[in-house]
Amino acid sequence: NAGVMQNPRHLVRRRGQEARLRCSPMKGHSHVYWYRQLPEEGLKFMVYLQKENIIDESGMPKERFSAEFPKEGPSILRIQQVVRGDSAAYFCASSPGQGYLPLYEQYFGPGTRLTVT
Amino acid sequence: AQSVSQHNHHVILSEAASLELGCNYSYGGTVNLFWYVQYPGQHLQLLLKYFSGDPLVKGIKGFEAEFIKSKFSFNLRKPSVQWSDTAEYFCAVIKAAGNKLTFGGGTRVLVKP
Repeated sequence: NAGVMQNPRHLVRRRGQEARLRCSPMKGHSHVYWYRQLPEEGLKFMVYLQKENIIDESGMPKERFSAEFPKEGPSILRIQQVVRGDSAAYFCASSPGQGYLPLYEQYFGPGTRLTVT
Repeated sequence: AQSVSQHNHHVILSEAASLELGCNYSYGGTVNLFWYVQYPGQHLQLLLKYFSGDPLVKGIKGFEAEFIKSKFSFNLRKPSVQWSDTAEYFCAVIKAAGNKLTFGGGTRVLVKP
């Protein structure tokens, strides 16, 4: 059973370009979470999605950031007009159910390291 | 808003030494607690978790953690570390009926052979 897949693993973008980060959850998981880790900081929650629905986006910056989890295909985190401050590691996690229930722990992907030059 | 504090940013110790990493959270309601580990070049892996029951939780690789509700703490321990325990360790909490993990800042542990 493959784990959570993220691609690309490393992404370099110039200021003003768009960044698209992809996350394929574990088989059988329909809940996806995105977290961001800034340099020298812990992971910070960004958004929680179920298939075709955004459930909680309280951690998403108000502008330039968007996320989707379509019926078919991976979840996408999209950052428009990137700035240097967007440089970070972006982690995706998935679970088979809501995270507060004992069986529904979150499994993490390897992350995408975004560098904005 | 809830927050999680990890007291040490960096810990250096020798093999066979005992390890204890502190974790405190600030939330008065019911929480579930986790410790994750990130080995060099690898992704986050779950070490152990607490949802209810015995406050002393045993995880993988000889790690254990104790939930002390009165102190809002969930400290991680290992009696005798190995060089392969070199990694970054993250404490995280999730509110009951919540969905998102709140992480501490992480502790980088270096075990000298």
